Amino acid sequence: GAGVSQSPRYKVTKRGQDVTLRCDPISSHATLYWYQQALGQGPEFLTYFNYEAQPDKSGLPSDRFSAERPEGSISTLTIQRTEQRDSAMYRCASSPGVSGTDTQYFGPGTRLTVL
Amino acid sequence: SQQGEEDPQALSIQEGENATMNCSYKTSINNLQWYRQNSGRGLVHLILIRSNEREKHSGRLRVTLDTSKKSSSLLITASRAADTASYFCATVAPFSGGYNKLIFGAGTRLAVHP
Repeated sequence: GAGVSQSPRYKVTKRGQDVTLRCDPISSHATLYWYQQALGQGPEFLTYFNYEAQPDKSGLPSDRFSAERPEGSISTLTIQRTEQRDSAMYRCASSPGVSGTDTQYFGPGTRLTVL
Repeated sequence: SQQGEEDPQALSIQEGENATMNCSYKTSINNLQWYRQNSGRGLVHLILIRSNEREKHSGRLRVTLDTSKKSSSLLITASRAADTASYFCATVAPFSGGYNKLIFGAGTRLAVHP
């Protein structure tokens, strides 16, 4: 079946605006992850969902960041009142299991630029 | 902060040569995974090695794991220009609530020249 998809692929916004990024995981996968990747660095964990439950929000940088997965499939990551330091690649991944130990399948990412 | 650290940060070789990348980490792990990221594309999983395994092969890839030294290496044999990419090691370590988290290093940028 199709892999993980993300939209938009690129987003340019002005400081102070809200943005919402979308992730469509592999349909049979239970777990969905969000990562933030700065230029030249590896992805950093933000949060994850087991189906619609969100057990861990500890990686979210501030309360301006929130994520949802209301029906256990598509997820959105919302950044309110964006700041220039939020500029990064935002990656979504999914995996079939719920333990966090198995292979993760990544989407192409959304490149966010905050002016 | 990221747990894994890759060495070298950048590697430039000729086609046909072997490329070796190393990864060190700090805490006990469940398994260690290697991913590849081509320019402008997503991360692709290459290989997973469990904490009770010492070596694993997949095609031209060979991964070793030394849990006593908390280190791993990725060897790409007979490299090709298409292997040009960033390579990340990611450790899977226990986290709160019985969950395991994937923690990435900063990556090694490999350039393979024709």
